Amino acid sequence: DVKVTQSSRYLVKRTGEKVFLECVQDMDHENMFWYRQDPGLGLRLIYFSYDVKMKEKGDIPEGYSVSREKKERFSLILESASTNQTSMYLCASSLEGGGGGYTFGSGTRLTVV
Amino acid sequence: AQSVTQLDSHVSVSEGTPVLLRCNYSSSYSPSLFWYVQHPNKGLQLLLKYTSAATLVKGINGFEAEFKKSETSFHLTKPSAHMSDAAEYFCVVTPPDSSYKLIFGSGTRLLVRP
Repeated sequence: DVKVTQSSRYLVKRTGEKVFLECVQDMDHENMFWYRQDPGLGLRLIYFSYDVKMKEKGDIPEGYSVSREKKERFSLILESASTNQTSMYLCASSLEGGGGGYTFGSGTRLTVV
Repeated sequence: AQSVTQLDSHVSVSEGTPVLLRCNYSSSYSPSLFWYVQHPNKGLQLLLKYTSAATLVKGINGFEAEFKKSETSFHLTKPSAHMSDAAEYFCVVTPPDSSYKLIFGSGTRLLVRP
């Protein structure tokens, strides 16, 4: 089975800190994604990457950036964390386009105080 | 624009009774549709997917969904609920402009009473 591993299960950061969320997948998938999940809003796409060093904005990219230097690793960066970025962050990967379905990590619950 | 609406934020059933989770989509074409499940403190898991083959799709753990184009619906059903089915369920659609991206419904939390 494909595994998508997110480095932290829970994080607490202060307003204004730079925050890195790391995601690693072990099955050579081309596509990787970052979503945030908020109650009543479902999942919203922040950024995705379809190849090394390639990235595209999702629906809510403001306040975030990403990095994909290696195929297996996709990092989400909060340049200056704010309280409205308190959320659950989910990483996913897929071998083909969205039609094939994703494999998700277990999520990182980030609290910004 | 592509969208998906889950009609119930919470559904409560007794163990052993049928489950119905409702989903409607808006699309000017035949989309790819999915149901994902999220158990507490876990990532999302693919339950089943519809990609324009048979309209009745069977998934894991006894779940199935029927694509009804005339009603733009993709409801998820299970004949007999089990306690382990308690989770949050997401109906998902692929938009026409990018097969990479998925659009998620707001989720339905399924509670199963003993």
